[in-house]
Amino acid sequence: GENVEQHPSTLSVQEGDSAVIKCTYSDSASNYFPWYKQELGKRPQLIIDIRSNVGEKKDQRIAVTLNKTAKHFSLHITETQPEDSAVYFCAPNNQAGTALIFGKGTTLSVSS
Amino acid sequence: DSGVTQTPKHLITATGQRVTLRCSPRSGDLSVYWYQQSLDQGLQFLIHYYNGEERAKGNILERFSAQQFPDLHSELNLSSLELGDSALYFCASSVGRTRYEQYFGPGTRLTVT
Repeated sequence: GENVEQHPSTLSVQEGDSAVIKCTYSDSASNYFPWYKQELGKRPQLIIDIRSNVGEKKDQRIAVTLNKTAKHFSLHITETQPEDSAVYFCAPNNQAGTALIFGKGTTLSVSS
Repeated sequence: DSGVTQTPKHLITATGQRVTLRCSPRSGDLSVYWYQQSLDQGLQFLIHYYNGEERAKGNILERFSAQQFPDLHSELNLSSLELGDSALYFCASSVGRTRYEQYFGPGTRLTVT
């Protein structure tokens, strides 16, 4: 089945710095690449996603880049704020497109 | 608020018991997904239903089963509960077909004692 890895597992930055989280996946048939943010005790929230026919997508301070050849995609957060502190999950879809396979998560801490 | 609802919010039960978790998808969504989140296993995909039919199975134990009803709400049944089944159970919904965006409900926290 799909193997999904995220790096780093924890990331600490100062407010205003940028943060980058990388996700590698194994299934070359994956064609949908979302990122979810989960605050403590809350539901995972979809924050940005990209499809395989697009290389980059941006939404205000967050962006996702995709390298299909190398089978990885990354989340970029600029001008980080304390409220960005959360666990971030990548979740590429499986070959059949019937499920998302979640990475183990990256805990981002933004200190002011 | 994602529009996905789950009940109950919390459930405490004993080993060996059976429980039912309920999920109502967003209006217009035909797909429902169930996930288990525990500290050591992360978010594990359990099962996916689309318009009443099972579409995909993930790491779902044989003691667990699910169904999606004609009104599109879904139930996850967990039986012969063990201590290790204690976790957060989320459902998510999506439009389905080629629309893959999934929106999560608030979750049900299950504690097995």
